[in-house]
Amino acid sequence: EVQLVQSGAEVKKPGESLKISCKGSGYRFDIYWIGWVRQMPGKGLETMGTIYPGDSDTRYSSSFQGQVAMSVDTSSSTAYLQWSSLKASDTGIYYCVRFYADYPVDWGQGTLVTVSS
Amino acid sequence: EIVMTQSPATLSLSPGERATLSCRASQSLKNFVAWHQQRPGQTPRLLIYDASKRATGIPARFSGSGSGTDFTLTISSLEPEDFAVYYCQPRSNWTFGQGTKVEIK
Repeated sequence: EVQLVQSGAEVKKPGESLKISCKGSGYRFDIYWIGWVRQMPGKGLETMGTIYPGDSDTRYSSSFQGQVAMSVDTSSSTAYLQWSSLKASDTGIYYCVRFYADYPVDWGQGTLVTVSS
Repeated sequence: EIVMTQSPATLSLSPGERATLSCRASQSLKNFVAWHQQRPGQTPRLLIYDASKRATGIPARFSGSGSGTDFTLTISSLEPEDFAVYYCQPRSNWTFGQGTKVEIK
């Protein structure tokens, strides 16, 4: 069974850094794209970007380019999403998702990030 | 950039009724469209891909149709667990539609 297990909820202050994780299991991690999707409170789904674990090829949506960084550790089958300086507008739920045949097929349970002073 | 426009924004129906949700793309997608369901407080899940193929474990009451720029998700008889938000998305593209909320009338 394919599973994507994300790290737990975070509460941070503006300006702080953060790295959340997504651990894949039940499939070969290095050959499927992983994406990150943001859902702001009460809003819809926005894809932030995708990363190919096999060679760390990373593609960012124009809205998120320069705002976040995606990375992977294939030895632990884990993908990461990182912020160097959080803003209140980064508050939301972040989902990782595994792509198969160019569709987002398997979703992580989501990580709630709250940024508040 | 592909824009996906869903209608209506909200659909108010009773259990047992038929739901018809629409999604229009700004350019032709052939049949390369997916539908996702997000129940309140839950993670999204893939329902339909390639416009009409049900994902693993999805009940037969869910069906998808369409090609080109116009796509439809139909729920033949609403069950209580079907009241949720539904998003359409083109394959190989990051855009999601804005969602249609199916609520209990």
